[in-house]
Amino acid sequence: QVQLVQSGGEVKKPGASVKVSCKAPGDAFTNYGFTWVRQAPGQGLEWMGWNSALTGYTNYAQMLQDRVTMTTDTSTTTAYMELRSLRSDDTAVYYCARGTSVAGPFHSWGQGTLVTVSS
Amino acid sequence: QSALTQPPSASGSPGQSVTISCTGTSSDVGAHNYVSWYQQLPGKAPKLLIFGVSQRPPGVPDRFSGSKSGNTASLTVSGLQAEDEADYYCSSYAGSSNYVFGTGTKVTVL
Repeated sequence: QVQLVQSGGEVKKPGASVKVSCKAPGDAFTNYGFTWVRQAPGQGLEWMGWNSALTGYTNYAQMLQDRVTMTTDTSTTTAYMELRSLRSDDTAVYYCARGTSVAGPFHSWGQGTLVTVSS
Repeated sequence: QSALTQPPSASGSPGQSVTISCTGTSSDVGAHNYVSWYQQLPGKAPKLLIFGVSQRPPGVPDRFSGSKSGNTASLTVSGLQAEDEADYYCSSYAGSSNYVFGTGTKVTVL
């Protein structure tokens, strides 16, 4: 099982933006896409969206689509998730996961990045 | 997109079996065979246990099995072991490039 490596934890103030990175192995990077999932403290998993590394196609969860952007950089085989206008209820662990389709499955996951939003 | 419904908790003694249900709708679980199950140990990332309703990735013991009937999917853990104590999440493709997770079930080994 391939391990994806995510960037470190962040502390942000309300209204700020955060960008989380997810480094994947270089082999066949564009054969995959990346889904982003978040988990608030003590809560379940929430699907945030999907980004194809091949086509750049994205689809976001409706409740986040105005504030989130997912991208990939094929030169560095890295996926990114940016969340803007942060609120306290965005405090969560953010995971990237890799799959060949938005329909899953997602065999490989990052270790998670804790984003804390606090004034 | 509403989360798939799972029981909050399930438990069993070592060696017993436990089954977790995952109820969706005719737009997600009932419409697609892209149902997966994930195991999450405390403080860890989710791990894929079952995909395509009933397929196991390499390395996942055959004690874990999945099935689906209508809008409800199920995960059965047979021969329960102490190391199976974890949170379990179902998930499903929901059409139109959307995806949804279940509410999660905490499995306790008594």
